[in-house]
Amino acid sequence: NAGVTQTPKFRILKIGQSMTLQCTQDMNHNYMYWYRQDPGMGLKLIYYSVGAGITDKGEVPNGYNVSRSTTEDFPLRLELAAPSQTSVYFCASSSSHRTGVDTQYFGPGTRLTVL
Amino acid sequence: DAKTTQPNSMESNEEEPVHLPCNHSTISGTDYIHWYRQLPSQGPEYVIHGLTSNVNNRMASLAIAEDRKSSTLILHRATLRDAAVYYCILTGDNQGGKLIFGQGTELSVKP
Repeated sequence: NAGVTQTPKFRILKIGQSMTLQCTQDMNHNYMYWYRQDPGMGLKLIYYSVGAGITDKGEVPNGYNVSRSTTEDFPLRLELAAPSQTSVYFCASSSSHRTGVDTQYFGPGTRLTVL
Repeated sequence: DAKTTQPNSMESNEEEPVHLPCNHSTISGTDYIHWYRQLPSQGPEYVIHGLTSNVNNRMASLAIAEDRKSSTLILHRATLRDAAVYYCILTGDNQGGKLIFGQGTELSVKP
C-alpha cells in the first residue's frame, strides 16, 4: 500500500492565484484531514471529512475549500492565494471506527510558498 | 479542550534511554493519550497511545500516572533516527476524535 500520497511536493504561487492540493489514500479510510504547519509550530486542522460527501471545518478554514466525492480523494482548494497561506500542508486519514483509539496516517506534505 | 504541556526541547545520547514527559492535568475520563513524532521534513507518524494502563510496542513505551494527569514516553535506546519533534495529544469524544497539536518536544540525539 502507498498509504497517503500528496501532490505536488513543492509549489510557488503568486498572490491571487489559485491551486488545488491533491491527497489520495489507498487504505479505505473513512476519515480524512487537512492540516497546515507554519515554521516552528504544531499542525493546525483546516478541514476534515467523515466520508464521501461530508466535510466540516477545522480550526483554520478561512481561505480554503474542500470536497470529498470519493473515499480515496480529498483535495484542498486555495482560492486567491495570500502570503499568510505560505505553509506546509499535510493530509491525513484514519478509519475512525473507534473515537480516541484510531490513529492517523499522514502524507509527506506539500510545501507552498505564496509570493 | 484538555491541554498538554511538554518541554520545548530535550537532549539525549545515542543508545541511552529517553524519557519524554507530558502534563495533562485537565484530562477527562474518556480522553486517550496519543504520541506522534515528526522527523525532519516529514509528516507526523503515530508512536503509541493509551488510556489508563502502561503500554508497550516496538517503538516505545508509554507510562501513564495513576491519576492520569501526566504521562511519559520512553524510548529505550535512542538512535540518531529518533531525533524528531514528539507530540503528546489528548483525543477522544471531547475532541470528536480529532488531533490537536501543540508545539511538542524537539528531541536531539548526540552520537
